[in-house]
Amino acid sequence: AQTVTQSQPEMSVQEAETVTLSCTYDTSENNYYLFWYKQPPSRQMILVIRQEAYKQQNATENRFSVNFQKAAKSFSLKISDSQLGDTAMYFCASLITQGGSEKLVFGKGTKLTVNP
Amino acid sequence: NAGVTQTPKFQVLKTGQSMTLQCAQDMNHEYMSWYRQDPGMGLRLIHYSVGAGITDQGEVPNGYNVSRSTTEDFPLRLLSAAPSQTSVYFCASYGRIYGYTFGSGTRLTVV
Repeated sequence: AQTVTQSQPEMSVQEAETVTLSCTYDTSENNYYLFWYKQPPSRQMILVIRQEAYKQQNATENRFSVNFQKAAKSFSLKISDSQLGDTAMYFCASLITQGGSEKLVFGKGTKLTVNP
Repeated sequence: NAGVTQTPKFQVLKTGQSMTLQCAQDMNHEYMSWYRQDPGMGLRLIHYSVGAGITDQGEVPNGYNVSRSTTEDFPLRLLSAAPSQTSVYFCASYGRIYGYTFGSGTRLTVV
C-alpha cells in the first residue's frame, strides 16, 4: 500500500526565516512523483513543487526547495525567506502509475503559520 | 480559463436527502477523481475514473456513487446523506503536462 506521513501537524516560523516541513512516504513502485501542495484559507489546492523519483537533483521553485532522499523515502520542503502569505496548510502527496491509472495519495497535512 | 469547475461551493443537506456534486473539466483529461477532506485526515480518495465509461473505487467509497458518461463530466452522487459525510469535497483531473488540477471545493454539511 502507498502511504504518506507528515509528522508535524502544526509549525510556526517568523517572517523572513527558513522553515522545513517533513514528509516520508512508502511505495514499492520505482516510477513515481512527489508533490507539495499549499492550501490557503481560500481552500484552493495550489501546487508548490513536484519531484520525479528518477531525478536525483532536488527540485526548486523560487523560495521553495525540496530535499529528496530516495533511499530513505523522505521528501521535505524548505521554505526560505518566509512570507505572511505562506501561512497555509501544506500537503505532501505521492503519485504512482499502476495498471494504467494514476493515484495521488496525500499526507494529513502540516498547518504552517508565519508570524510577523 | 481552462480548469476544473465544481458546483455548488456550499450545500446543507438533511439526513437522508440525496444530491449530486457536479464536476467538469475542459482540459480533455482522461483521469478524474473525487476526494474528501476532513480535519486531521488530509485528502482521501473516494472514486476515480480513467476515462469515459470507466470508474473505480478509492479509499473511502461507501455512500457515494459516480458515473462518467463524457470525458468532461464526473458527478458525485450521495444517495442518502449521513452526518458522517459532512466534509469538503474536491474534484481533480490529471494530465501529464500540468499534473493534477483541483476544483475549488464544495463544503457539504449534513444535519
